[in-house]
Amino acid sequence: SQQGEEDPQALSIQEGENATMNCSYKTSINNLQWYRQNSGRGLVHLILIRSNEREKHSGRLRVTLDTSKKSSSLLITASRAADTASYFCAKETGGGNKLTFGTGTQLKVEL
Amino acid sequence: EAQVTQNPRYLITVTGKKLTVTCSQNMNHEYMSWYRQDPGLGLRQIYYSMNVEVTDKGDVPEGYKVSRKEKRNFPLILESPSPNQTSLYFCASSTGTSVYEQYFGPGTRLTVT
Repeated sequence: SQQGEEDPQALSIQEGENATMNCSYKTSINNLQWYRQNSGRGLVHLILIRSNEREKHSGRLRVTLDTSKKSSSLLITASRAADTASYFCAKETGGGNKLTFGTGTQLKVEL
Repeated sequence: EAQVTQNPRYLITVTGKKLTVTCSQNMNHEYMSWYRQDPGLGLRQIYYSMNVEVTDKGDVPEGYKVSRKEKRNFPLILESPSPNQTSLYFCASSTGTSVYEQYFGPGTRLTVT
């Protein structure tokens, strides 16, 4: 089964609102990454959080990691129409050589 | 410009006809990887390479081959494509020998009839 399951599968919000996406995983990790994908295009790396970190910020993005609950969340503040995309979490596995992606959250930001 | 390129971008082929999808990066990255993306399944790793002449299987390697003769190139080979290999394929690379920030190519949409 997939490691890194995102929730919700789809999210629709108004511009200016915050969007929160969650990711759960099953086994211990070294790091967890979030990526964005615009429709049918290549993924773009957003942020990496290591297992010994609890929170990380990058611009309007905030990622949290709770290793006790095996979960992570991505918060996008003050969303814009341009944030419309699919967002994936990815867990480093295989001793640091493999990246396992979840199924993604489709975010739609409406004007 | 730092980038990962893939060719072709679109390919329609028939069952059993060998094909190669090329991947090249200009960032001197050690780590390269191939993924396939299917609706509802997210991205699944096919093969990865930690450096020249070092390759290993990902989660879905059946029906695929790879080679890493040069640092910049990591071609994906389908010796005998089948319809269940119809998918969107991505190549990615990252610095070091581990999966830190990955740079993705634009994707290759493959249809096998």
